[in-house]
Amino acid sequence: DAGVIQSPRHEVTEMGQEVTLRCKPISGHDYLFWYRQTMMRGLELLIYFNNNVPIDDSGMPEDRFSAKMPNASFSTLKIQPSEPRDSAVYFCASSFGTGTIGYTFGSGTRLTVV
Amino acid sequence: LAKTTQPISMDSYEGQEVNITCSHNNIATNDYITWYQQFPSQGPRFIIQGYKTKVTNEVASLFIPADRKSSTLSLPRVSLSDTAVYYCLVGSSNTGKLIFGQGTTLQVKP
Repeated sequence: DAGVIQSPRHEVTEMGQEVTLRCKPISGHDYLFWYRQTMMRGLELLIYFNNNVPIDDSGMPEDRFSAKMPNASFSTLKIQPSEPRDSAVYFCASSFGTGTIGYTFGSGTRLTVV
Repeated sequence: LAKTTQPISMDSYEGQEVNITCSHNNIATNDYITWYQQFPSQGPRFIIQGYKTKVTNEVASLFIPADRKSSTLSLPRVSLSDTAVYYCLVGSSNTGKLIFGQGTTLQVKP
């Protein structure tokens, strides 16, 4: 298995533009998580899905952020419009079941909004 | 979720044993203690989990006293490549989501 695949690895965009981050979880995993990491706030859980259904989106910072999981093998995190304070590394992770082990993270997308 | 407290940073030298302690005073009966490691520019990865006493794998050892209110991650003979952030987490199979604290940044020097 290739692991959790995220694209793009790097994204530079101008303030106000729409940004879409993509994630392909590990086949067979039924949970998918989106995290954001910054120096100031560390790793923050934004939203997670179970069997393609959003379970908890309490970490989504505001309405400019949205996430979808149209099928078991694909998820997107969209920011519209983007702002400089959205600059961060965004990680996607997947797992089979919940708990504290078995989470596999992708390599992340480094987003820079100028 | 039980709150965890660990040192923000630690320094060590190559070849030394490193022990990182985590406090979790409010750990529940069903909770396990889990450690993740994050290298620069990578996502976290699982390294070890335990419930009580001692657990050892090819990467590290985890020591948990009888009261389970703390735990110690032990890295034997560290190398430069062990420079990373180490996160201590507490939860059970019903946790539902993985919440990371600030972690401990370990810097291994030559």
